[in-house]
Amino acid sequence: GAGVSQSPRYKVTKRGQDVALRCDPISGHVSLYWYRQALGQGPEFLTYFNYEAQQDKSGLPNDRFSAERPEGSISTLTIQRTEQRDSAMYRCASSPVYGYTFGSGTRLTVV
Amino acid sequence: ELKVEQNPLFLSMQEGKNYTIYCNYSTTSDRLYWYRQDPGKSLESLFVLLSNGAVKQEGRLMASLDTKARLSTLHITAAVHDLSATYFCAVVLDYGGSQGNLIFGKGTKLSVKP
Repeated sequence: GAGVSQSPRYKVTKRGQDVALRCDPISGHVSLYWYRQALGQGPEFLTYFNYEAQQDKSGLPNDRFSAERPEGSISTLTIQRTEQRDSAMYRCASSPVYGYTFGSGTRLTVV
Repeated sequence: ELKVEQNPLFLSMQEGKNYTIYCNYSTTSDRLYWYRQDPGKSLESLFVLLSNGAVKQEGRLMASLDTKARLSTLHITAAVHDLSATYFCAVVLDYGGSQGNLIFGKGTKLSVKP
């Protein structure tokens, strides 16, 4: 596609439910990154992939968070047993080799 | 651990004035990005600085990088209202030559008043 596409744009979920956030990167981009951005803050790194391999997951807050990119293209960030503190904007970025293009994000609200 | 600090975090400017935003980072990196973010919008890439002494300019914005001092600056010349936004610097965490993740500063919220 022309840009990085994220879905859904908005997600409201009840505490304790699982959510899956999707990122469709720019075609051919090797690397894919997940960030979380709280209101008024800078993006915080969560995890990233080169092709299908998860290179670094040190930013995932706890074991309720996981991500995959099984075919080296689309990625899914899954949050299990959501808590209110998980509410934030979740952003995805992709990169060919150098440079990063960010998607519009998914606004997650846990009620 | 790579840390990125921006200052100021908030900046209120009069139109026509000049000002500089500073970005310090804690460990070696030779790639630094500046992004602009408007309220409710995604991150727009402004500049990528790849080497010591790099300077890039676009319109009223000019960015520079001093890798020895681990410092980048974003200079605003003759500010106009349209420049009001939040500006982030972000430093690349390298993984043995391959590009790693970006570490962001907290951002500088710029407000340009007439």
